[in-house]
Amino acid sequence: AQTVTQSQPEMSVQEAETVTLSCTYDTSESNYYLFWYKQPPSRQMILVIRQEAYKQQNATENRFSVNFQKAAKSFSLKISDSQLGDTAMYFCAFMNSGDSGNTPLVFGKGTRLSVIA
Amino acid sequence: EAGVTQFPSHSVIEKGQTVTLRCDPISGHDNLYWYRRVMGKEIKFLLHFVKESKQDESGMPNNRFLAERTGGTYSTLKVQPAELEDSGVYFCASSQDPRHSGANVLTFGAGSRLTVL
Repeated sequence: AQTVTQSQPEMSVQEAETVTLSCTYDTSESNYYLFWYKQPPSRQMILVIRQEAYKQQNATENRFSVNFQKAAKSFSLKISDSQLGDTAMYFCAFMNSGDSGNTPLVFGKGTRLSVIA
Repeated sequence: EAGVTQFPSHSVIEKGQTVTLRCDPISGHDNLYWYRRVMGKEIKFLLHFVKESKQDESGMPNNRFLAERTGGTYSTLKVQPAELEDSGVYFCASSQDPRHSGANVLTFGAGSRLTVL
């Protein structure tokens, strides 16, 4: 079974600084997707960034980028120029992509990020 | 477009009572998912609808949980009778037809927080 591990329950960062959230996963599959979702306080969970496993290039979305190390099964999220609005719970998630379709998302426990002014 | 809507946002009930949670997915999204997060733990998959059919219900904890999706539109998740361990946040998500490129991206609702006393 696939598992996703986020080893940092809580993190904090100064506004305008850079922070990296770690995520590792375990799978025997070769085709899959990886995601980072963000849930601000009392608001819905939204997709931050996604990565297809077959792509070697790391995904980037504005201030958010990932460091995808397939051999090490690592998928960290880097947030540059942190803003107060980045304060949220961040979930790393995995989805297997097979011939019969995509499997349900498997989530990590989450990392609570606080951006401090 | 309207997002995924969940109701109620918070429900407090006593052990043994019944609660029904509702999810309205994004219009046109064939896939509808229910997930649950118990405090401090991972977000766990409950079940997956494709239109009105249950594609995968392997995550449903027991027969006290009943999910339906009338006409392939909105979905309800009923817990009867509720137990203390059912407390948590229940998330609904939807995605497009698997034949479209966006099938692997889930859009989540804000969640329904259930507290069983």
